[in-house]
This record gives sequence, C-alpha cells and structure tokens, in this order.
Amino acid sequence: DSGVTQTPKHLITATGQRVTLRCSPRSGDLSVYWYQQSLDQGLQFLIQYYNGEERAKGNILERFSAQQFPDLHSELNLSSLELGDSALYFCASSVATGGFDEQFFGPGTRLTVL
Amino acid sequence: GENVEQHPSTLSVQEGDSAVIKCTYSDSASNYFPWYKQELGKGPQLIIDIRSNVGEKKDQRIAVTLNKTAKHFSLHITETQPEDSAVYFCAAPGTASKLTFGTGTRLQVTL
Repeated sequence: DSGVTQTPKHLITATGQRVTLRCSPRSGDLSVYWYQQSLDQGLQFLIQYYNGEERAKGNILERFSAQQFPDLHSELNLSSLELGDSALYFCASSVATGGFDEQFFGPGTRLTVL
Repeated sequence: GENVEQHPSTLSVQEGDSAVIKCTYSDSASNYFPWYKQELGKGPQLIIDIRSNVGEKKDQRIAVTLNKTAKHFSLHITETQPEDSAVYFCAAPGTASKLTFGTGTRLQVTL
C-alpha cells in the first residue's frame, strides 16, 4: 500500500459525458501527478500540481482539467468523453518537486467509455 | 523532451535465473532513474532508483546500473522467483520534473 488513495476504482460511462476522478496523496506529500495508462500508449504523464499550483503539463487534452485543493487532494475532470479515453488513470504523489523526488502511485481508476 | 526506450518488451526466464531489462534515454540532463514494478490490477510500485552520481545500486536481489556516457541504465534481477512476474517500467525525468516512462517489459518467471 503506497498511501495514495484513488476513487472510484471503476467508472463506466457513455460518450459525451463528464466524470471526476479523485486522489488523496500520501500524508506530507505536496505534489500530485496524474498519468493515463492505455494499452497502446503506455504510461503518459498528464499534469502535476504542487501545493495547489499547476507545476508541469504533459499530453493533457483540452477536454481534461485538474486541480489541487487546500487539503492537497486532487481531482481530474474529464469531459466530452470519447471511446479513446477509456484507460487506467493513476495518481502519484511526492514530497516536493525540486530536483527529483520518488513518486508513489495509487491503485488507479479504470475508466470505461461506452 | 525526454525519450525513453526499453527492451525487451517481453522476457521469460526460469525460476532461479537472472533477468536483465535495459533502457536508453535521450536527455543528458536526466539525473534520476527509477524502476517500477506493476502487478496485474495494481498501480506501479517503485522498486529501486538510482541518481546520476553513482554507477550502481543494489537492494537484495535487485540492482540497477547506470552509464551516463552511453545514456543507458539497466535493471538486474537475480535468483528470480515466481512473484517477480510483473510488468517493469523504467523512467527518466529529462529537464522537467515529469517522468517519461519506457514502454514496459512483461517478465514471466516459469517454474
């Protein structure tokens, strides 16, 4: 158990819908990272927040957005869902963001878009 | 940005044998190289990492070697056991704090 929690574990929805994935980092970690894992794309970095502020952006679609709240939990919002958005979405956390810190991954949310 | 290549994509070894997985990276600024193990239905778990100021690091049956000149690093697992069966990912950060992952190696340890 990494100490990172994610809800829900599974999510099934229809094309065009909007969903919210939630992540709680390890106690004391200030950075939260979101990753998408699909069969043909591997693990792709989406976005990072550090202490409430966006710190780095990866291959995140405009239909996707995220935020980190004052209690440091984070939410990833996916809208206008398409079939191709079906994937595992992982959240990871680390203590800080300088240099490079160990990232600890949550168990993931499996999103299925029908 | 950083580009990480990982080989092989699948690896089958007999229990007790050694397994080696290799990765190359493109950004010479990368200074941190973690390895993750992902079991079925679970998130990636950090198993070992190495920073650019050392060439090798060991933790029991697992070791990682780094060659900064050649821009490659490798994971070595000795005396493999069935519970080592999983997908292994290497990663490198490049100039940003985000990690770029390799495409993964599915390791199967057979009895």
